[in-house]
Amino acid sequence: GAVVSQHPSWVICKSGTSVKIECRSLDFQATTMFWYRQFPKQSLMLMATSNEGSKATYEQGVEKDKFLINHASLTLSTLTVTSAHPEDSSFYICRLGGSNQPQHFGDGTRLSIL
Amino acid sequence: QKEVEQDPGPLSVPEGAIVSLNCTYSNSAFQYFMWYRQYSRKGPELLMYTYSSGNKEDGRFTAQVDKSSKYISLFIRDSQPSDSATYLCAMSGGSQGNLIFGKGTKLSVKP
Repeated sequence: GAVVSQHPSWVICKSGTSVKIECRSLDFQATTMFWYRQFPKQSLMLMATSNEGSKATYEQGVEKDKFLINHASLTLSTLTVTSAHPEDSSFYICRLGGSNQPQHFGDGTRLSIL
Repeated sequence: QKEVEQDPGPLSVPEGAIVSLNCTYSNSAFQYFMWYRQYSRKGPELLMYTYSSGNKEDGRFTAQVDKSSKYISLFIRDSQPSDSATYLCAMSGGSQGNLIFGKGTKLSVKP
């Protein structure tokens, strides 16, 4: 069964809207959650690493004020894309870390900004 | 030079063929090597997980790691149409650290 539950799976919204993506760990304590972005025909690119109860660590070039990460509990991490624009359209995926099963991904969220 | 190189394909084979997928890398600190399968519009699914050099077999899948050559492979025996997907290699220096991914190879198995 699924180890990481990611919602929503697909979002279409207007430019300027903020979108929240949730990743929930179902079986393990998610002390760490990795957030990735994947453009068509490109590899997964790490955006940020979130740790439960502390500030997220962002990769170079990723705007922390635009991609807000909250990891307030051991089972839930959220990524909010604020004031989304068409160039933010992508496939966003979370990955569970910090446990004995670090390799499990969520099913991804396809974000389409009109 | 990118840290991980993977031929994006596409690769098309007939059903029953043996498929060979490969990645090369440049960082000698990598110790953990993974292969993921990703279907369209889904998250990656872990297929094989290997530590250091050697071979690992699981059903129709065999993963090989050659650290001296910085080269990893995934073999799929008796390929099936359901194996059609994008295969991503990934590697890291630690068991729970960040993963560096290849671009993925798109595989199509024709019935």
